[in-house]
Order: sequence, then C-alpha cells, then structure tokens
Amino acid sequence: GAGVSQSPSNKVTEKGKDVELRCDPISGHTALYWYRQSLGQGLEFLIYFQGNSAPDKSGLPSDRFSAERTGGSVSTLTIQRTQQEDSAVYLCASSITDMNYGYTFGSGTRLTVV
Amino acid sequence: QQPVQSPQAVILREGEDAVINCSSSKALYSVHWYRQKHGEAPVFLMILLKGGEQKGHDKISASFNEKKQQSSLYLTASQLSYSGTYFCGTRGYSSASKIIFGSGTRLSIRP
Repeated sequence: GAGVSQSPSNKVTEKGKDVELRCDPISGHTALYWYRQSLGQGLEFLIYFQGNSAPDKSGLPSDRFSAERTGGSVSTLTIQRTQQEDSAVYLCASSITDMNYGYTFGSGTRLTVV
Repeated sequence: QQPVQSPQAVILREGEDAVINCSSSKALYSVHWYRQKHGEAPVFLMILLKGGEQKGHDKISASFNEKKQQSSLYLTASQLSYSGTYFCGTRGYSSASKIIFGSGTRLSIRP
C-alpha cells in the first residue's frame, strides 16, 4: 500500500481482556517495528521483525505481550489480560531494510484500558 | 541505552534559529531524526550514517560526530510549520537491529 496501515485506530477495552492490534506495512519493506508511546512521552521500542529472522523481542514489557508477522507482511501485536498501564498509542513502522533507511510510521492504535 | 536530548522544550518566534542536541553514552552506527506533530505519527526527516556527516533538508540540517557520539539538528529561519516534537533515534553497533529514541524536544513557533 501507499503507507503503513494500522487497525483499529482506537480501541477501548476492559481491564483483563485480550486485544489484538494489526499492522500492514508498506509493500516490499522487509523490516517491521512496534513502538509504544504513552501520553506526552517518547517512543518505547517493543519488537522488531526482519525478513525470516527470529524477531528481536527485547523490548516487550512482559509475557502478556506477543507479536507475530505472517508471510513477511502483516503483523499482529497481542496483549493478554490488559492492564491500565497498557494504555498508550501503539505505533507500527516499516523500512526497506533494517539498517540504512528511515522508518515510515503508521498512524497508530490508541489503546485505552478501563 | 536511551539517547539524551536537549533542550526538552524551546519556544521561538518565526524566523529564529534553533539547535537540538542528541547524545549517547554508546558508540553509534547511525542517528535518525523525526518530527511528530500533535496527534500524528512521527515523520522521518533524515538519517546520518558516518562520523562528521552533515545533511540538509530545506532549512533543516543535521550533523553527526561519531567520535563524540553526538548529533545536532539545526533549524534555520524557523517557520510555523516546524512546530512539533523532534525525536532523535540512535542505532548502536551492538544492537544495530533497532532504533532507540530520545525523549523528544518540543518546539513551539510563535508568529
């Protein structure tokens, strides 16, 4: 597609429920990243996918968070048993490769846990 | 290790210049700069790859001193459209797979 697409754009969920966030990167971009941005804060790295390599999960804050990328394209970030501190904007980004190119970010999913 | 940005916030009048600094305690492979407007996604401005490299984009330029592990973003003759939060992102050699972002510098331009 023309840009990185994320869905849903907004998600309100009850504490304890599971949520799935979707990211559709730019076609041909082999690298895909998930970041989290809390209100007024910076960008916190969560997870990185590059081609068929094992993902870098070093930024996932707990084992309630997981992500997969199917067919080297669409990625899903899953948060189980959501907590109020999970409330944030979840941003997905993709790039041509993982080294010398800038990221293109999606518009994000605003997650609110009530 | 998160890079340190300074200042945290700056207010300018239209036409004034600004410098935003980014420093790291680790050796850097590259530095990225992004701008994020309120309620929008961050937008890529430029990447600097080599020590001492400088780049320019319109009236926004940046330098990267690899030896000092520092980068600076220069905004010249600022325009209202430059308002937003600027983030630097750094890639180290040991964790070259991902960018770690600084906490951001909020830039406000007044007419």
